[in-house]
Amino acid sequence: DIQMTQSPSSLSASVGDRVTITCRASQSISSYLNWYQQKPGKAPKLLIYAASSLQSGVPSRFSGSGSGTDFTLTISSLQPEDFATYYCQQSYSSPITFGQGTRLEIK
Amino acid sequence: QVQLQESGPGLVKPSETLSLTCTVSGGSISSYYWSWIRQPPGKGLEWIGYIYYSGSTNYNPSLKSRVTISVDTSKNQFSLKLSSVTAADTAVYYCARRHKLYWAESYYYYMDVWGKGTTVTVSS
Repeated sequence: DIQMTQSPSSLSASVGDRVTITCRASQSISSYLNWYQQKPGKAPKLLIYAASSLQSGVPSRFSGSGSGTDFTLTISSLQPEDFATYYCQQSYSSPITFGQGTRLEIK
Repeated sequence: QVQLQESGPGLVKPSETLSLTCTVSGGSISSYYWSWIRQPPGKGLEWIGYIYYSGSTNYNPSLKSRVTISVDTSKNQFSLKLSSVTAADTAVYYCARRHKLYWAESYYYYMDVWGKGTTVTVSS
C-alpha cells in the first residue's frame, strides 16, 4: 500500500494568512493526488484533483502543486470558512489511501 | 445536479452484517464508478471499495474478505454489505462518485460528489 503522510498534523493560523500543507507519498505517484476539505459533521469536499487542477466552484485562493512524492496545498489568504481538516488522497494504485489529515485551526 | 443519499440501520450487533444503500438522484448511475468510504469517530478516512455501473468491483484488501458492493441500475442505487462486524467497524459511512477524467494522455480519478454520510454503531 502507498502511505500518505501529511504535515503538519495541525496548524494554527489567522484570517488573511498564507498557509501551506504538505503531503508525501511513500513512492512516486506522478500527479495522481487529490485534496479534500472536511468540516465537522460534514462530508469531505473535493478541492484539487490531479495535483494542481482546481475543482469547479472552489475559490482560487486554493492551489495545489507537486508531482512524484511531494505535494503541497496552499491557501493564499485564509478566510473564516477555511478552518477545517484537509486530506490528501492518492489515486495512483489500489488500495486508494488518504493522508491522516491536517487540522487547520484559528489562532 | 447529482446527489447521493446513504440509508440503512444505524445500529448493528457484533458478528452481524452491516447493510447500507446509496441512492443516486439528479443523474444516472451509468458510466461512473461508485465508492464507499468510512471514518471512525475522531479518525481519518478509509476507502472501502468501489463498483463500476457494469458490476466490476475493487475492494480494500484490509476488508476484502468481509465486503460486498453491488449495484442496481434500475433503481439508481448501489449497496454495501460488511459481514462479521465488530466495534472497530463503528464509523460514519460515506458513498461517493468516483469520477474518471482523461487528460494529458492519462486517466485521473477523484471522488467529486459525496453523500452526507450515515453513522453506523456496532453494539449489542
